[in-house]
This record gives sequence, C-alpha cells and structure tokens, in this order.
Amino acid sequence: DQQVKQNSPSLSVQEGRISILNCDYTNSMFDYFLWYKKYPAEGPTFLISISSIKDKNEDGRFTVFLNKSAKHLSLHIVPSQPGDSAVYFCATGGGSNYKLTFGKGTLLTVNP
Amino acid sequence: EADIYQTPRYLVIGTGKKITLECSQTMGHDKMYWYQQDPGMELHLIHYSYGVNSTEKGDLSSESTVSRIRTEHFPLTLESARPSHTSQYLCASSGGGGDEKLFFGSGTQLSVL
Repeated sequence: DQQVKQNSPSLSVQEGRISILNCDYTNSMFDYFLWYKKYPAEGPTFLISISSIKDKNEDGRFTVFLNKSAKHLSLHIVPSQPGDSAVYFCATGGGSNYKLTFGKGTLLTVNP
Repeated sequence: EADIYQTPRYLVIGTGKKITLECSQTMGHDKMYWYQQDPGMELHLIHYSYGVNSTEKGDLSSESTVSRIRTEHFPLTLESARPSHTSQYLCASSGGGGDEKLFFGSGTQLSVL
C-alpha cells in the first residue's frame, strides 16, 4: 500500500508559467518532507525540504507548501524554465525511522 | 555538491554472473542506503546501514547482499544475476542532521541478459 502518492504521472507547462506538483501521504507520523529532481540515468538531487512545524518553505524559484491536516504537500516552481524538465519525487520520513519513503514521481516538461 | 560515487554507471551482464556494485562516500556519513528504481516507479529501499558492521534489509525484498566494513564503503553484491534484476540501483548517504536529507550517487543501470 503506497504511503506516498503522486497522482499525476506527468505535467506539461509553458516556459515562464508556474508549475505545481502535488503529493499526498498517509502516515501522520511523517514529520519531514523533501522534493528531489531526477534526470534519466542519473541519481536524484535534493531540491527543497520542509519540516512539519512549518507550512511553507521558499528557496529561489522553488516553494514547498505543507497542509498537515490534509496530509498534502505541493511544490511550486515560478517561473518554470526548460531546464526544470525532469522527474520530481516527493519523499517523506519521520520519528526514529531514518529512512525516506518516495512517491512514484511526476515527469515535468517545460516547453519553450 | 555531494561526494558519493557509484561504479560502474552502466553494466550489461549475462545471467548467472556474480556482480558487485560499488558505492563510496567521502562525507563521513554514518547512514548509507541502497534504493532500486524502475522507470515510472517509486524508489524502493532494499538495504541500509547505520554504521560499520550494521546492515539491514529494506522494505523491498532483494536477493542482493551488502556489507559495511568501512564507513565510506557500502558495496552491493548479486551472487547470480537474473533478468529480473535489471533495474537502476541508487546508493545514498545521510549525515543524520534531523531532516534525513539523502545525498545520492549517479546510480548504476544494470541490464541482465
């Protein structure tokens, strides 16, 4: 049973527009949340994270929002650039468990 | 930039061969992990280690084995490769700073014929 769900396998946006990627989780014990970006045949690279005590974290063009009551987080990319085209994975973890649980990823395509 | 290295990047091998995927990190991290990922699927944890001489199986059952004799080195071995082992294998490490941010290597794309 998937604990972390990314329900959109793909997303296509125009350059300069906002990209919104969504993630839902089931385990209320999760207390930190991360987004990774991955190119084909490469390892994931860390983008941005948020802890459960916050509802927003911003880093340049990337903002992560956390809605704990809805067990939902989202990643906003503004403005989107063609170089942002990649697979984005949501990951969660928490408690004494040092392991991360990943979603299936969303393929973002930013069109020039 | 994370200093974690995986070799080889690509490996094509015949059924029944023994293979070892190498992973090394120079960050002094205690925690290291092996994930397996197929296209369009989530990363599945297959092995992890919280320190030297400590290894545990992950959430996804795997026929591979790992060892952790040195902090910096976490190799993965398949005694007899099969086509079902074809996948991307990703090694990661963590400094345990509270958010468990993982640093990943570039991965090994394994194809078993």
